[in-house]
Amino acid sequence: QQQVKQSPQSLIVQKGGIPIINCAYENTAFDYFPWYQQFPGKGPALLIAIRPDVSEKKEGRFTISFNKSAKQFSLYIMDSQPGDSATYFCAASWRGSARQLTFGSGTQLTVLP
Amino acid sequence: GAVVSQHPSWVICKSGTSVKIECRSLDFQATTMFWYRQFPKQSLMLMATSNEGSKATYEQGVEKDKFLINHASLTLSTLTVTSAHPEDSSFYICSAMSLGQGNYEQYFGPGTRLTVT
Repeated sequence: QQQVKQSPQSLIVQKGGIPIINCAYENTAFDYFPWYQQFPGKGPALLIAIRPDVSEKKEGRFTISFNKSAKQFSLYIMDSQPGDSATYFCAASWRGSARQLTFGSGTQLTVLP
Repeated sequence: GAVVSQHPSWVICKSGTSVKIECRSLDFQATTMFWYRQFPKQSLMLMATSNEGSKATYEQGVEKDKFLINHASLTLSTLTVTSAHPEDSSFYICSAMSLGQGNYEQYFGPGTRLTVT
């Protein structure tokens, strides 16, 4: 019940395309859903996060859509660039777990020039 | 934005020795710090959660006597890998969080690559 399932495992798009990464969760107590970007050999960097009281959030080229009834949330990267090539992790947390993050398995994104 | 540093960024040690990794929150006070390890092409695996001034809470399967965590202040936590063995070689990452004002964001350090020979 604590799992967050992420798909796809890998994704290749052309420059300017819109990659979409999906995550699904079971624990309805989760109330915070961040996305992280990680480059090889580096720590994850917080990209954008959403709470379940909104259905969409945009920050720059990154958009999260959230479907509470389906227990799913997705990351969209608009006008993707080769510099966006990285591994993306979704995560979730709730207050009952001391705000520990439960991570998805990650998506390796490659944006071709 | 919030900055978390780790030191060292990489370390090589001989089997049987101990290694200490420092995690610092540079521009905020962290009520909670987390330690993760990550194997190549895998997700982050939580090892332990620590709060300033109290004992760390370890995840199931993590040996607390092997991975010693000390959260000495609101800006510093250390992870000591005792009697390291080659299977302890991994990428260790810390994160820090300040729970004030309903902020749930975790900020991650750059990671420490540990190689045990």
